[in-house]
Amino acid sequence: SAVISQKPSRDICQRGTSLTIQCQVDSQVTMMFWYRQQPGQSLTLIATANQGSEATYESGFVIDKFPISRPNLTFSTLTVSNMSPEDSSIYLCSVERVVGQGNLYFGPGTRLTVT
Amino acid sequence: AQKVTQAQTEISVVEKEDVTLDCVYETRDTTYYLFWYKQPPSGELVFLIRRNSFDEQNEISGRYSWNFQKSTSSFNFTITASQVVDSAVYFCALSCTSGTYKYIFGTGTRLKVLA
Repeated sequence: SAVISQKPSRDICQRGTSLTIQCQVDSQVTMMFWYRQQPGQSLTLIATANQGSEATYESGFVIDKFPISRPNLTFSTLTVSNMSPEDSSIYLCSVERVVGQGNLYFGPGTRLTVT
Repeated sequence: AQKVTQAQTEISVVEKEDVTLDCVYETRDTTYYLFWYKQPPSGELVFLIRRNSFDEQNEISGRYSWNFQKSTSSFNFTITASQVVDSAVYFCALSCTSGTYKYIFGTGTRLKVLA
């Protein structure tokens, strides 16, 4: 399994501000994914982040709102920009150690509350 | 299109009862993976099992067992002699190796085990 850490673990932010979430993995991985889980809901994929290329966003998510960086094979950041209460969710970083091998592991999540 | 359906939104059982969580999936791919994850109240997603499409053998791990049936596109999860610590939301997920490679999650089943 992969050891994944996220910072911050939780935050309370004001409307209109931005928050950057960091994801650190204990070893190099090709594919990193960012998910959002709104209260009581399932996981929704925001984007896939591969090192050395632009992140690929899912329908309903745009780069201006959720810019992602992937500077190396062990680290990624997700920024939630110009936040509104609707952005209150758990944001989860996940990784797949070997592409196509079906081994997806999740970080502990960042619980974001926007007031 | 790929899809995962967990028809049971919430299940309540009394401790020591057996409980089965249903998962039905849709895909046209011949190669795919199925997963179960547990999300306790702490929020972290815990990987439980991965099964590839070529392995229809049922699996048992302690009190947990999984029944994979390609004929009915189902991957059901049974907890035997449930315990209060089993209370969590359980997600079934599917990943396919062709097309837009990503993981599709079901809507989750909330299991409440009452003492």
